[in-house]
Amino acid sequence: IAGITQAPTSQILAAGRRMTLRCTQDMRHNAMYWYRQDLGLGLRLIHYSNTAGTTGKGEVPDGYSVSRANTDDFPLTLASAVPSQTSVYFCASSVTGATEAFFGQGTRLTVV
Amino acid sequence: SQELEQSPQSLIVQEGKNLTINCTSSKTLYGLYWYKQKYGEGLIFLMMLQKGGEEKSHEKITAKLDEKKQQSSLHITASQPSHAGIYLCGAMGGYSTLTFGKGTMLLVSP
Repeated sequence: IAGITQAPTSQILAAGRRMTLRCTQDMRHNAMYWYRQDLGLGLRLIHYSNTAGTTGKGEVPDGYSVSRANTDDFPLTLASAVPSQTSVYFCASSVTGATEAFFGQGTRLTVV
Repeated sequence: SQELEQSPQSLIVQEGKNLTINCTSSKTLYGLYWYKQKYGEGLIFLMMLQKGGEEKSHEKITAKLDEKKQQSSLHITASQPSHAGIYLCGAMGGYSTLTFGKGTMLLVSP
């Protein structure tokens, strides 16, 4: 049982480099999300997708982009990483936007 | 946008003791979700409350929703070391997605 898988588990990235965080779910959920978790700030929504082919901006979208070409995959791209993007990134999915979300194990990203 | 405030921010309880965590919303709650997170791991869904007055239990964890107070409480009976972690409440926010509180860190001492 895979559920929702994120890769890589952790990454150290030089500032200015481009990076894509991968997220795949095998539950055929319509909705998918990217959050970042920072100490003292909690979980903040970066981008979301309510269904394949559509995406939306969350609370902190600047510096990030997403795509949803199919139901299963929802990659998050940092076009030019900056140190303030150092964080733990969580991908999640849900049947619809109004049901409970299931989370991946997270990607710990350090931008130096 | 909806904001969720959790209290306390952290607490340490002795094994076997009961505890309560509160989650207060700035807006009307149409559904409240409780999650648990262990350090370095993803969030695990605990339970969802949809109706005012609703109460759900899972093992020794009970959650209640008070719509009038725009508040939910999570109560753990006879705490165990396995209960340690971060508890987060979530509710539907402005993006039709879950907005979360900042979490309550629970430590259970032997």
